[in-house]
Amino acid sequence: AQRVTQPEKLLSVFKGAPVELKCNYSYSGSPELFWYVQYSRQRLQLLLRHISRESIKGFTADLNKGETSFHLKKPFAQEEDSAMYYCALRGTGRRALTFGSGTRLQVQP
Amino acid sequence: EPEVTQTPSHQVTQMGQEVILRCVPISNHLYFYWYRQILGQKVEFLVSFYNNEISEKSEIFDDQFSVERPDGSNFTLKIRSTKLEDSAMYFCASMVTDSSYEQYFGPGTRLTVT
Repeated sequence: AQRVTQPEKLLSVFKGAPVELKCNYSYSGSPELFWYVQYSRQRLQLLLRHISRESIKGFTADLNKGETSFHLKKPFAQEEDSAMYYCALRGTGRRALTFGSGTRLQVQP
Repeated sequence: EPEVTQTPSHQVTQMGQEVILRCVPISNHLYFYWYRQILGQKVEFLVSFYNNEISEKSEIFDDQFSVERPDGSNFTLKIRSTKLEDSAMYFCASMVTDSSYEQYFGPGTRLTVT
């Protein structure tokens, strides 16, 4: 069985502070990991995936297979980063995404 | 930029009634999905659809659910006899090909069963 855990329901930081949104997963094979974001009144959209290893809107995420984690990080949070963030996993040979429960990021001025 | 669209945005129905949720995926996409999110809970996978047949489904997707692509553009989710616990936000998503990675989500349909 595959599972994605996001331990924090809410993370509140001040503008300019570093951000780390935690994601741990359980999967026996080699999964694909993603971060999706949902801004207020907008649809779910892909933020980044582990394979690309790129930085999107200043966010990065590194897959740590030893710790089975895929934490999302940004060194300096901006108010426009306030949104719901979902970590998701796709298993080998599958198309379905398994989502975590999401973390609401609030960036205060 | 092309987007996945869903209608209606909100559907209220009585328990036991049939409901059809509609989605128009992005036109050149080949893979289609339904997910749902019960209020306060995770987004859960229901079913994926390719080449006019179901390619994968979850335990949630029982005999009460069916999907169809009746024409070249629409992708529908039917719930035959709705239950109170079917109340949720239903998201449609589409993906270009099997080797692509990004699923594009629609805005969702909020289904309320009374």
